[in-house]
Amino acid sequence: QVQLQQWGAGLLKPSETLSLTCAVYGGSLSGNYWSWIRQPPGKGLEWIGEIYHSGSTNYNPSLKSRVTISVDTSKNQFSLRLSSVTAADTAVYYCARGSDDYGGLGHYYYHMDVWGKGTTVTVSS
Amino acid sequence: DIQMTQSPSSLSASVGDRVTITCRASQSISTYLNWYQQKPGKAPKLLIYAASSLQSGVPSRFSGSGSGTDFTLTISSLQPEDFATYYCQQSYITPYTFGQGTKLEIK
Repeated sequence: QVQLQQWGAGLLKPSETLSLTCAVYGGSLSGNYWSWIRQPPGKGLEWIGEIYHSGSTNYNPSLKSRVTISVDTSKNQFSLRLSSVTAADTAVYYCARGSDDYGGLGHYYYHMDVWGKGTTVTVSS
Repeated sequence: DIQMTQSPSSLSASVGDRVTITCRASQSISTYLNWYQQKPGKAPKLLIYAASSLQSGVPSRFSGSGSGTDFTLTISSLQPEDFATYYCQQSYITPYTFGQGTKLEIK
């Protein structure tokens, strides 16, 4: 079955750029959306954005000016870059696969069914 | 953005209890509603999608219902491994948004 393995720098200084990568094993990037979600310590989940295998993206407007999600189909990987980080960006960052199930009448029900284990990112001077 | 509100925020229950968690959307989302379970230090796990469809491999004691703005997640008979935090999430429109979570604790 599909598994996601993620990695990246865990400690950043304010104003630096966060960079994380998620590799897809046991499957292909094709036909699915690939998302990034984050969770500040002790808080809930925030969707950051997604990329389709073709490269089209959707971002959360709250982060859009600082976020770039990219895909490398040759490596079966996708990546997150978040610029100008502050302490408010301290969180566990997850990558996830988004899947659509057809429910009839033209309805496709999107859900995130495979998740990476998470990467803790701390922003501190 | 669509705001998702869960109730209660926390809940104490015993093994064998029937438990219901509620999620309300700030506007109609049809049945574009997912439920996730998260245990401490772990990634969320998909339980229910499209409001009532059980994800493969998830025990049948979990069920979901609702449409429009009001949804419920029901656990018919709590097992020890069910004590966790539960999140609803709307997939009607981006940005996808989550509820604040319901922490289910052992009584």
